Amino acid sequence: DVKVTQSSRYLVKRTGEKVFLECVQDMDHENMFWYRQDPGLGLRLIYFSYDVKMKEKGDIPEGYSVSREKKERFSLILESASTNQTSMYLCASRGSSYEQYFGPGTRLTVT
Amino acid sequence: TQLLEQSPQFLSIQEGENLTVYCNSSSVFSSLQWYRQEPGEGPVLLVTVVTGGEVKKLKRLTFQFGDARKDSSLHITAAQPGDTGLYLCAGSRGNDYKLSFGAGTTVTVRA
Repeated sequence: DVKVTQSSRYLVKRTGEKVFLECVQDMDHENMFWYRQDPGLGLRLIYFSYDVKMKEKGDIPEGYSVSREKKERFSLILESASTNQTSMYLCASRGSSYEQYFGPGTRLTVT
Repeated sequence: TQLLEQSPQFLSIQEGENLTVYCNSSSVFSSLQWYRQEPGEGPVLLVTVVTGGEVKKLKRLTFQFGDARKDSSLHITAAQPGDTGLYLCAGSRGNDYKLSFGAGTTVTVRA
C-alpha cells in the first residue's frame, strides 16, 4: 500500500511565525504536490515537484515556498504565517498512473 | 472561477435512495477522476475515466464520462450511510499531470 504521511495532523501557529509542513511518501514516486483545501473552494494547488530539487508554482503560490532535497520528502514552508493561511493542507504523490495518493492532511490554524 | 463545477454542493438523502452528482466544465479533459474524502482524512481515488462516453461501475457506484470529455457524473444506487462523505471530481488536461479539482459535493446518507 502506498503511504503518504504528514508530520502533524493539527498545528497552531502565531502570525509572523515560520511554519514547516513535512510530507513523506514511500512509493518512490517522482511527482509530489501540496494543496490547500477550503470549504466551497475544493483543493487548490500551491506547488508541485516532478523531481528532486525541481519545483513549479501551482495556482496559489504566494506566501509559500517548498523544498525537495530527497525524492521521498517534500516540504511546504510558510515564511511568515498569516491568518488567511489558516486551512487544511494536503500533500499528495503520483507515480506513472493517473492516481494521486493523499496524506491525511494538516489542519493549520494561524492566530 | 473553478475549472470544474460540481453540483449540487450538498445532498442529504435517506438510506436506500439514489443520488447523482454532476461535474461540468467548458474545457476538455484527457482524464477525469472521482475521489471520496471522509472527515479528517485525505481524498481516496474511486475511479479514473479516460474515454469519451465511458461508463464504469464500482458496486453501487456508476461513473460516466461525457462524449465530449467535458463533463462527468457519479450515480449511487440504494445509498447507504457508509457512502457519506465529500465527493470530488478532478480533471487532467493533455499530458499535464496536474489535476484541477471541483469544489466538491457533501453527501449525507441518513439511516
